[in-house]
Amino acid sequence: AQTVTQSQPEMSVQEAETVTLSCTYDTSESDYYLFWYKQPPSRQMILVIRQEAYKQQNATENRFSVNFQKAAKSFSLKISDSQLGDAAMYFCAYRSWRSQGNLIFGKGTKLSVKP
Amino acid sequence: EPEVTQTPSHQVTQMGQEVILRCVPISNHLYFYWYRQILGQKVEFLVSFYNNEISEKSEIFDDQFSVERPDGSNFTLKIRSTKLEDSAMYFCASIFTPATNTGELFFGEGSRLTVL
Repeated sequence: AQTVTQSQPEMSVQEAETVTLSCTYDTSESDYYLFWYKQPPSRQMILVIRQEAYKQQNATENRFSVNFQKAAKSFSLKISDSQLGDAAMYFCAYRSWRSQGNLIFGKGTKLSVKP
Repeated sequence: EPEVTQTPSHQVTQMGQEVILRCVPISNHLYFYWYRQILGQKVEFLVSFYNNEISEKSEIFDDQFSVERPDGSNFTLKIRSTKLEDSAMYFCASIFTPATNTGELFFGEGSRLTVL
């Protein structure tokens, strides 16, 4: 069975600085998808960034980028130029290519941004 | 921007009671999901629903749980006889189609269920 591990329950970053959130996963599959979701306090989870396992190039969305290391089964999220609005819970998630939406989540990392 | 909406935001119930959690997915979406998160634990998949039937379910989704799309807009999760361990935040999600396999699930804000 696939698992997703986020080893940092909480992280803190200074506004305008860069922070990296870690995620590792375990799977025997070669085709899958990885996601980072953000959940602000009392708000719904929204997708930050996605990565298809067959793509070697790391995904980037504005200030958000990932470091995808397939062999190491690592999928970290880098947030550059952190803003106060980035404060949230961040969930790493895995999805098998065969699944119709069964996401396997990590426990989440609570990110605080200091002004 | 279209959103997935869930009601109630918080429900308190007595053990053994039936509970129905309601969700209104985004209007043109075809696939619907329920997830739950017990306090301090991971978000867990419960069930996916397409074309008026369950397409995938987890081991958690036992006979105590059922889902239904009673009309063209609502998607409900029913727990027949609640247990203490059903206390959790329940998230509804929807997507137009996961056929591309990279589709983004749109989540609601969650319904917090407390079983006493």
